[in-house]
Amino acid sequence: QKEVEQDPGPLSVPEGAIVSLNCTYSNSAFQYFMWYRQYSRKGPELLMYTYSSGNKEDGRFTAQVDKSSKYISLFIRDSQPSDSATYLCAMSAQPDSNYQLIWGAGTKLIIKP
Amino acid sequence: DVKVTQSSRYLVKRTGEKVFLECVQDMDHENMFWYRQDPGLGLRLIYFSYDVKMKEKGDIPEGYSVSREKKERFSLILESASTNQTSMYLCASTGGRGQFFGPGTRLTVL
Repeated sequence: QKEVEQDPGPLSVPEGAIVSLNCTYSNSAFQYFMWYRQYSRKGPELLMYTYSSGNKEDGRFTAQVDKSSKYISLFIRDSQPSDSATYLCAMSAQPDSNYQLIWGAGTKLIIKP
Repeated sequence: DVKVTQSSRYLVKRTGEKVFLECVQDMDHENMFWYRQDPGLGLRLIYFSYDVKMKEKGDIPEGYSVSREKKERFSLILESASTNQTSMYLCASTGGRGQFFGPGTRLTVL
């Protein structure tokens, strides 16, 4: 069993919909959780960085962590075609990223105009 | 903004060639990483470095080596390229609170 599970998709939704992307994990030591967005043929870019449980909001994006269920989510409100990309979750037990992040395989998201 | 640059976007090499991939970051980060990314396998860590001349193996170091002579520069070396090293190679750096990636090098080994 992988340490981090993420549905590869693709997930296809109409423009304007609310999107929910999810990862589950098995290691209860993870405390730092990240979401990255990767456009085709580009490197991943950091979208959200959260610590422990709770919610964090940044514009149309909300990251949610439920440590009791070992489940993290990224919500995108009012989705746009420009949000079409692969979204990767990553996590670690360390307070910074000096060492290995544990990565999900990524979910491909398609927003249809 | 953090900027991580990689020497080539696309590279085509022949089996047995020695290949150098270079990565430069401009944020004075201590830690740098090399990953490869393949469909269905996600990001896999090859090597990382936490200081000049220091390196640690990641999950898949076989067939690769690295060099970090200066803080801003981290090189990945394929000593004798093979077709199973055809992949997207990504460099990243961090000063904490997430890793920052370069644009990637798509390497094809024929």
